[in-house]
Amino acid sequence: GENVEQHPSTLSVQEGDSAVIKCTYSDSASNYFPWYKQELGKRPQLIIDIRSNVGEKKDQRIAVTLNKTAKHFSLHITETQPEDSAVYFCAASRNDYKLSFGAGTTVTVRA
Amino acid sequence: DAGITQSPRHKVTETGTPVTLRCHQTENHRYMYWYRQDPGHGLRLIHYSYGVKDTDKGEVSDGYSVSRSKTEDFLLTLESATSSQTSVYFCASGGDRVNEQYFGPGTRLTVT
Repeated sequence: GENVEQHPSTLSVQEGDSAVIKCTYSDSASNYFPWYKQELGKRPQLIIDIRSNVGEKKDQRIAVTLNKTAKHFSLHITETQPEDSAVYFCAASRNDYKLSFGAGTTVTVRA
Repeated sequence: DAGITQSPRHKVTETGTPVTLRCHQTENHRYMYWYRQDPGHGLRLIHYSYGVKDTDKGEVSDGYSVSRSKTEDFLLTLESATSSQTSVYFCASGGDRVNEQYFGPGTRLTVT
């Protein structure tokens, strides 16, 4: 099955700086890559996703990039704010309606 | 967020007792999923359903069973709870847009 590795496991950034989280996947047939944000005690929420026919996607301060050749994708958060503090999960999927998740990155934005 | 709910939200039970968790969605989604979340492991798929009465195993299905008799309800049963099943359980559902999933609020289960 698909194996997704996520790095780093924790990330501390100064407010206003950028944060980058990287994930690698093992199954070259994977073609859908979502990112979820989970605040403490809350449910994971889909914040952005990318499909394999696209190399980059942006939504305001967040962006995701995909390198299919190297089998890795990244989440970029610019101008970080305190409300960006959360656990972020990447995931990967083939066209089989199942997601394989990374272990998560705890992001802390320091004021 | 109101489209998918879970019950109970918290439960404490003893080893060896049966436990059933319920997931209810009002989005008419075809696909439904049960995950468990443990520190350092992210979200791991237990079972999923691709239609009424159609279910399949995920990566950590041992000790769990599921049933889906209606589109809106997906039940997870622990036949005989063990301490290793102490976890936070999340249900998710998804429609026809391939692989897009939306999560319920979670159930914190403690097996003593």
